[in-house]
Parts: sequence; C-alpha cells; structure tokens
Amino acid sequence: AQSVTQLGSHVSVSEGALVLLRCNYSSSVPPYLFWYVQYPNQGLQLLLKYTSAATLVKGINGFEAEFKKSETSFHLTKPSAHMSDAAEYFCAVSESVGNEKLTFGTGTRLTIIP
Amino acid sequence: NAGVMQNPRHLVRRRGQEARLRCSPMKGHSHVYWYRQLPEEGLKFMVYLQKENIIDESGMPKERFSAEFPKEGPSILRIQQVVRGDSAAYFCASSPTRGGSYNEQFFGPGTRLTVL
Repeated sequence: AQSVTQLGSHVSVSEGALVLLRCNYSSSVPPYLFWYVQYPNQGLQLLLKYTSAATLVKGINGFEAEFKKSETSFHLTKPSAHMSDAAEYFCAVSESVGNEKLTFGTGTRLTIIP
Repeated sequence: NAGVMQNPRHLVRRRGQEARLRCSPMKGHSHVYWYRQLPEEGLKFMVYLQKENIIDESGMPKERFSAEFPKEGPSILRIQQVVRGDSAAYFCASSPTRGGSYNEQFFGPGTRLTVL
C-alpha cells in the first residue's frame, strides 16, 4: 500500500530565503510522485510531477523537487521565497497506470515572513 | 478548453437532507475521481469512475454515499441523510485516456459542503 508523510505541518520562511518542504513516501512499486499547491478556498494546482524520467524535476513558479529512491524522498525546494508562495502544499503518490488514484500527505502550510 | 467544473461551489444542508455534488470533466476526459478534504487534513480518495462504470470505490463510506458518471451529463456524488461529519470540501478530478502511459489528473475548484 502506498503512503505519504509530510514532515512539518507548518513552515515559515523569510522572503528571499530557501524554501524546503519535505515529503517521504512508501510504495511497493516504482511510484509516480506529485506536488500540488492549494490557495485558500481554491482547488489544487499541479506544481510538478515525477513519472520515472529525470530524477530532478522542475515545475512552475520556480519550484523543483528531486526524487531520491534510496531515501524514499521527494522534497520540494525553491531558492528564493516570494510572498505569493504562501499557500498549502500537498505531496501525493500514485502507483499504477490505469487507476491513477492519488494518496495525499496531510499538507504543509507555508508562511512567508516579510 | 474549459477546466474541470464543479457546482455548486458552496452547499449548505441541514442534518438529514440530501446533498448532490456535480462534476463536469474537461472536454475529452472520460475518467473522473472524487476526493474529500476534511478540515485541516489532506485529500482522501473516494471513488474512481469511467463513463457508466464504477472502477474503484474503495474510499467510499459504506452507507449514504453513492456516485455515478452517466453516458451523458456530469458525474454526481450523492450523500443521503447528511450528518455534521460530512462537512468537508469535495474535489473532483478528471483525466484523459492514454493507454500505457500515466494519465494526469486535473482538479476542479471543489464544492464546500456545510451541514448545519
């Protein structure tokens, strides 16, 4: 069975500082991994995805994530935080083609300090 | 190309009433997933449907909840005799059908159900 753990339900960083949001997964097969962002009272927007191609994945808004099989991790980073990055971030995993249901982590709320 | 549409965006029901949530997938998409987000929690998978078929309902509560995706029209998530614990945001996602490759899901804006 697949599962996702996001360490840190709340993360605060200063504007211009590095953003690091942690995600570890458990999967019995090579996984597909995703990061989504959710702004207040809105739906989910895909930031980036790993689908077994390059292990370093670049997404929108300057975010990137690296798939590390040995550490079962898929941490999200951004070199320089912007005020507009304040939102909830969800890591998700899917295991199969044909039934791509997603298992989500509990989310990390990112606050940007001016 | 319009995105995934959900309506209503907000729904208020009293305990014991029925709630009907609608999801229109993106044009050309024939797969629909429903997820529920309880307050302060992540999204949890409920059901996966293709046109006229339920493929995976392993996340659906055993009672009061049902889903359909008819040949024509939107997908419907139906909750009978709602209780306060049903208050949540319900998200729909759709995906295309591409045999052999991963089918990305596109999410709608959600329906926020409040049970009084």
